[in-house]
Amino acid sequence: GENVEQHPSTLSVQEGDSAVIKCTYSDSASNYFPWYKQELGKRPQLIIDIRSNVGEKKDQRIAVTLNKTAKHFSLHITETQPEDSAVYFCAASKGGGSTLGRLYFGRGTQLTVWP
Amino acid sequence: ETGVTQSPTHLIKTRGQQVTLRCSSQSGHNTVSWYQQALGQGPQFIFQYYREEENGRGNFPPRFSGLQFPNYSSELNVNALELDDSALYLCAGTSGRAGDEQYFGPGTRLTVT
Repeated sequence: GENVEQHPSTLSVQEGDSAVIKCTYSDSASNYFPWYKQELGKRPQLIIDIRSNVGEKKDQRIAVTLNKTAKHFSLHITETQPEDSAVYFCAASKGGGSTLGRLYFGRGTQLTVWP
Repeated sequence: ETGVTQSPTHLIKTRGQQVTLRCSSQSGHNTVSWYQQALGQGPQFIFQYYREEENGRGNFPPRFSGLQFPNYSSELNVNALELDDSALYLCAGTSGRAGDEQYFGPGTRLTVT
């Protein structure tokens, strides 16, 4: 099965700085890579995703990059704000067809943004 | 928010008991997946239902079972509860038509004592 590794497990940054979270995956057939933000006691919320036919995707202050050859993808948050503080999870999926929806998650990164 | 609701919010059970958790997804979410999230961990895939049939299973024993109904609701049943079953149980719906995006419900926090 797929194995997703995520680093770092904790990340502290000053407000306004950038934060980068990195993930690797093992199954070269994986083609869909979402990122979720989970605040304490709440559901995981999809914040951005990328598919294997794209190398980079940006949405305002967040961006995700994908290197299929190296099998790693990263989340970049610029101009961090205290409300960005949460646990962030990366995930991978083969996507499509009969395997639609089977997400394999990393262990999460606790991001703390200090004012 | 996501069109996915779950009940109950919290549940306390005793080891050896059985539990049923419920999920209601919005119209069009023909695929529902269930995940177990232990404290401090990422969600782990339990199984998935597509058009009322199980469509794949993660590394969970048979005492974890499920059902999906025509009205886009589903159930997760766990028999012979163990202490390690204590976790947040999440269901996620996806229509498939919009891609692979999954939208999670708020979860049910199960505590087994």
